[in-house]
Amino acid sequence: EDQVTQSPEALRLQEGESSSLNCSYTVSGLRGLFWYRQDPGKGPEFLFTLYSAGEEKEKERLKATLTKKESFLHITAPKPEDSATYLCAVQAGTYKYIFGTGTRLKVLA
Amino acid sequence: DGGITQSPKYLFRKEGQNVTLSCEQNLNHDAMYWYRQDPGQGLRLIYYSQIVNDFQKGDIAEGYSVSREKKESFPLTVTSAQKNPTAFYLCASRPDSYNSPLHFGNGTRLTVT
Repeated sequence: EDQVTQSPEALRLQEGESSSLNCSYTVSGLRGLFWYRQDPGKGPEFLFTLYSAGEEKEKERLKATLTKKESFLHITAPKPEDSATYLCAVQAGTYKYIFGTGTRLKVLA
Repeated sequence: DGGITQSPKYLFRKEGQNVTLSCEQNLNHDAMYWYRQDPGQGLRLIYYSQIVNDFQKGDIAEGYSVSREKKESFPLTVTSAQKNPTAFYLCASRPDSYNSPLHFGNGTRLTVT
């Protein structure tokens, strides 16, 4: 069965304290892995697409990496404005997307 | 600005009433989706549409209906048959290239009492 699991469920960091969020997946034919940021009461905002193992994408303090079984979202020296829920999704078919339950990140000043 | 517009942002209804959520996009995307988001659960697919006048049931279609009469619009009706309709509803669309991320609107929070 196609599945996406994110960990941890919640994470509290001090400002400047780097960490990583994990997204592990089981899918028969990966067409793409996507990271989103979601603020309370808003829709998910697209961050990154990863297509193949070894690929990395970077934007400001965020860096996403991909292996054959999981993806990591590394947050370097986070700021309070990075606080949000981060969602991972995989495309498992032409029109099929599977979402994880997200990691709620809180960065304390 | 191109994007996906969902309206209204908040919607309140009495139990037993049907309600329609609006989703409009000006991105010229063919594929559109409706998801439901509940606390502690991943996004669950209600319906999707690949093209005008065509749509497919998702994992939790019972109690919902959709139409796709125009490329830009994909309204979702929550019927009285939906047993637990209170939730955050998200509309999304996708560029025509198949291996692409979904782009989301800002959601409608529906409360049924």
